[in-house]
Amino acid sequence: EAQVTQNPRYLITVTGKKLTVTCSQNMNHEYMSWYRQDPGLGLRQIYYSMNVEVTDKGDVPEGYKVSRKEKRNFPLILESPSPNQTSLYFCASRPAGNQPQHFGDGTRLSIL
Amino acid sequence: EDKVVQSPLSLVVHEGDTVTLNCSYEVTNFRSLLWYKQEKKAPTFLFMLTSSGIEKKSGRLSSILDKKELFSILNITATQTGDSAVYLCAVDSGSARQLTFGSGTQLTVLP
Repeated sequence: EAQVTQNPRYLITVTGKKLTVTCSQNMNHEYMSWYRQDPGLGLRQIYYSMNVEVTDKGDVPEGYKVSRKEKRNFPLILESPSPNQTSLYFCASRPAGNQPQHFGDGTRLSIL
Repeated sequence: EDKVVQSPLSLVVHEGDTVTLNCSYEVTNFRSLLWYKQEKKAPTFLFMLTSSGIEKKSGRLSSILDKKELFSILNITATQTGDSAVYLCAVDSGSARQLTFGSGTQLTVLP
């Protein structure tokens, strides 16, 4: 089954404790993105990647890192999480060309 | 800066009503406009619109794009409680940044 898989689905942690949210897609898509979703603000892009080893900042990259060492994986790293990073996070992928994005089921992060 | 604005922010209707959701945009480049439905979790794809004036239809849902006036509408006829969701509009500028999303319309359909 074609899918985008994120882990964990839920995480409660404390300020400053490094965490990684994994994202994996099995559709051989070139493009991958991370978004955060906050009430009233819609989906805002954090980082995106056009292909292996090619990443760039989106609208709200501060406090986040990403890597794309393999085509299928695009982890989101919070080196020193802070409470303002409490949010619902989505990973998405799509092939090159004019195609819709496929979204993972989301990761709800709470930073205390 | 690319901008996508949806209205209304929220809408409460009764089963059987027809609703129209609006999406206007200001973007540097335009390749397509997409509608997604978001219930409890991941947004699910509804429509992609690239050409002006051509209606896309799927059951009770339909959407149309006006590239001259820079907006799109999503219509839902004979609404059902299962239509309750957040409806997201996004514009694909064709750049590597991919999509710019609006803040969504929360639709609640009461029995």
